[in-house]
Amino acid sequence: DAGVTQSPTHLIKTRGQQVTLRCSPKSGHDTVSWYQQALGQGPQFIFQYYEEEERQRGNFPDRFSGHQFPNYSSELNVNALLLGDSALYLCASSSYGQDWRSPLHFGNGTRLTVT
Amino acid sequence: QKEVEQDPGPLSVPEGAIVSLNCTYSNSAFQYFMWYRQYSRKGPELLMYTYSSGNKEDGRFTAQVDKSSKYISLFIRDSQPSDSATYLCAMSDGSGGYQKVTFGTGTKLQVIP
Repeated sequence: DAGVTQSPTHLIKTRGQQVTLRCSPKSGHDTVSWYQQALGQGPQFIFQYYEEEERQRGNFPDRFSGHQFPNYSSELNVNALLLGDSALYLCASSSYGQDWRSPLHFGNGTRLTVT
Repeated sequence: QKEVEQDPGPLSVPEGAIVSLNCTYSNSAFQYFMWYRQYSRKGPELLMYTYSSGNKEDGRFTAQVDKSSKYISLFIRDSQPSDSATYLCAMSDGSGGYQKVTFGTGTKLQVIP
């Protein structure tokens, strides 16, 4: 049973560029959330996607956007990259549509470095 | 003031010790409490979750929630070197079905053989 998979595992970008990160949820899960984890910090909620719509959003600027596809996979896009965007980006999935109290299961993340 | 406060450690204990990890929180709307374990270069792994005050046990792990004091704990009995990791407490107020989770900064634990 495949867990949450994310790609790529590492990425190096230059300030001002744009980046797309990808996530496939755990089998049977229908909801994807994205989190940003800076070094030495806990993950911070970016947004949640369910039924191909953004349902909730954390305190992140509009430079951060996302998409969910009919197969429940998701993308996170970040425009106009800043040095401060360097972090581990985590995707988490759950079966929220079947059980609204379903806990989050995380992937191993994409390490983004902005130079 | 952060919504969730967690001692960053590091915490170093001998193998077989009982470990106590703690978090305090300020948002009284939090009603769903979780503990995650994160190994180096990996994503957080869900250890335990609970919706109520009191104790919940799973093998060597016990999660304790005291909503009146806004305090949660994770106890690890008979700690093993494989328990060496960063432990993250996490909580949610239930908005959006508990998908928006607030994490502590994590406590780094080292269990010495």
